[in-house]
Amino acid sequence: EAGVVQSPRYKIIEKKQPVAFWCNPISGHNTLYWYRQNLGQGPELLIRYENEEAVDDSQLPKDRFSAERLKGVDSTLKIQPAELGDSAVYLCASSPAGATRTQYFGPGTRLLVL
Amino acid sequence: AQSVTQLGSHVSVSEGALVLLRCNYSSSVPPYLFWYVQYPNQGLQLLLKYTTGATLVKGINGFEAEFKKSETSFHLTKPSAHMSDAAEYFCAVSVGGTALIFGKGTTLSVSS
Repeated sequence: EAGVVQSPRYKIIEKKQPVAFWCNPISGHNTLYWYRQNLGQGPELLIRYENEEAVDDSQLPKDRFSAERLKGVDSTLKIQPAELGDSAVYLCASSPAGATRTQYFGPGTRLLVL
Repeated sequence: AQSVTQLGSHVSVSEGALVLLRCNYSSSVPPYLFWYVQYPNQGLQLLLKYTTGATLVKGINGFEAEFKKSETSFHLTKPSAHMSDAAEYFCAVSVGGTALIFGKGTTLSVSS
């Protein structure tokens, strides 16, 4: 079974430029999560989707971040414009239905903003 | 609100020695608890999880953890460390199947 796929793996951009990250979850997983992991820290949730619906986006900086999950499968996270403080690893995870909802993570996208 | 505290940002052991990584949680309702491992430049891999039932949970690569409600702890152990165990370890709590709340992580170093 294929795992969570993310692309690109690495991205270097100048500040004020836009950037987008893509995630394809494990087949059949209805719930999709985007996390941000700063250096030396644990991941922190940005947004959670149940199928196409964003059910928790309270931690998403909406002035510059946006996300979508069309058709309830793959998802895109966008930053526009990027700031120096956005340098981090962006992780995508998915989980199946059920009480436990064990989350399975992709390899992440490492973003460096110069 | 839920929270996780990992005691010790860095743990060093010798190959063959006992590994003990500490995790304490705070939750107002019965939690689901997880340990993940992260190797350099990789995502998080699930080591083990506690949901309900048996409080001693066995995971991959010889790791296990014990849920102690009275101590609000979920410490990770391995009887004999291997060089390949060197990585970053994260404890996490989830309530009701929502997002995970992670600790800050513990870096495990293994020396020969």
